[in-house]
Amino acid sequence: QSALTQPASVSGSPGQSITISCTGTSSDVGGYDYVSWYQHHPGKAPTLLIFDVNKWPSGVSNRFSGSKSGNTASLTVSGLQAEDEADYYCSSYTGRRTMIFGGGTKLTVL
Amino acid sequence: QVQLQESGPGLVKPSETLSLTCTVSGDSISNYYWSWVRQPPGKGLEWLGYFYFSGSTNYNPSLKSRVTLSVDTSKNQFSLKLSSVTAADTALYYCAKEIPGRTSFDLWGRGTLVTVSS
Repeated sequence: QSALTQPASVSGSPGQSITISCTGTSSDVGGYDYVSWYQHHPGKAPTLLIFDVNKWPSGVSNRFSGSKSGNTASLTVSGLQAEDEADYYCSSYTGRRTMIFGGGTKLTVL
Repeated sequence: QVQLQESGPGLVKPSETLSLTCTVSGDSISNYYWSWVRQPPGKGLEWLGYFYFSGSTNYNPSLKSRVTLSVDTSKNQFSLKLSSVTAADTALYYCAKEIPGRTSFDLWGRGTLVTVSS
């Protein structure tokens, strides 16, 4: 069971938008609408940004949005802010009550 | 407000069993599904397994033979045991609360670092 594929790093300037991709297979991302995205500042607990591909947990900014096409899910961060600089992880249900994470993407705000 | 706190030894010898506990405060452990996730130094997140108080569990297939999850409802705690550890098991270990039926974690502990070394 290999990790979902994410770009190692992305960057953008304040106010811009960036998109992080998360590529899996038809057995995970493509097979279920149970993709989640997490923000992780090193040294802190990860926080849930998106679940069920494009739903927001209570309290999460709508600057973060999720989508999916085929075996690839995406997270878009709009109106980049300095505090958005962090590691981002996707995850997907893989059937039979198991799940898998992506390898993580480091977002740098220039 | 639900809070999670991981605890356990920070150093484990190779071939021994790693044991960690997650204490849940602010709600009953019986109300949710719970998981363990780890992050080796410089690497990404890895899901280890989930647990429900009824005894329902499932594990990451790559670790299934070495992982055991259990619960102590009287203490509102759930535990992780990982046997036959090696240096590859050195990681920051998190416990996390699942949104029911979603395999999405809406609450995480701060994590506890476990180093495997002789």
